[in-house]
Amino acid sequence: EPEVTQTPSHQVTQMGQEVILRCVPISNHLYFYWYRQILGQKVEFLVSFYNNEISEKSEIFDDQFSVERPDGSNFTLKIRSTKLEDSAMYFCASSEASLNTEAFFGQGTRLTVV
Amino acid sequence: ILNVEQSPQSLHVQEGDSTNFTCSFPSSNFYALHWYRWETAKSPEALFVMTLNGDEKKKGRISATLNTKEGYSYLYIKGSQPEDSATYLCAFRGYGGATNKLIFGTGTLLAVQP
Repeated sequence: EPEVTQTPSHQVTQMGQEVILRCVPISNHLYFYWYRQILGQKVEFLVSFYNNEISEKSEIFDDQFSVERPDGSNFTLKIRSTKLEDSAMYFCASSEASLNTEAFFGQGTRLTVV
Repeated sequence: ILNVEQSPQSLHVQEGDSTNFTCSFPSSNFYALHWYRWETAKSPEALFVMTLNGDEKKKGRISATLNTKEGYSYLYIKGSQPEDSATYLCAFRGYGGATNKLIFGTGTLLAVQP
């Protein structure tokens, strides 16, 4: 069964460092998303991406964040200068269509900023 | 601010018990309501995508109902098994300004004791 894969599963980084979280969405999907969950809080939307551009982003997704689809298969989230409050589980998801189809999630990358 | 609430926050039941949880969401600009099952260290797994008022969906021992006019959905598990232990998340998808993103509830953590 096709699945969304994310690497690494766990990343520890020093405050101020740049991190890149990687995702391989399901191959025929057109919409890609990043979500995150800070420990003990709700899963929060960060950004959606379609047709090689951001289609929607949340207030969390400020200039420190960027997304890229560098080739036909990968979808990356870059955090330019990490802060302690960026520590969270980051989930990538993809879907065939945007509205009433299910989004398939990866297992997540646990980012710990120290 | 769009708010999605789930109750109870956690639930402990005995194997064989039937149980249900609630998701409440905005009743305006409704497009779809998603239910996910999330086991520790795994990807959230889509259970249902519900779009029509009065919709009822079933997958094995799990079923869900939807009331878009009053803004709630119930998830039922009949004859709970230990393997049903997981966090159950609902997510609201709006129409109009919030077209792509899923807005998640806090989840209901279900523990089924053998």
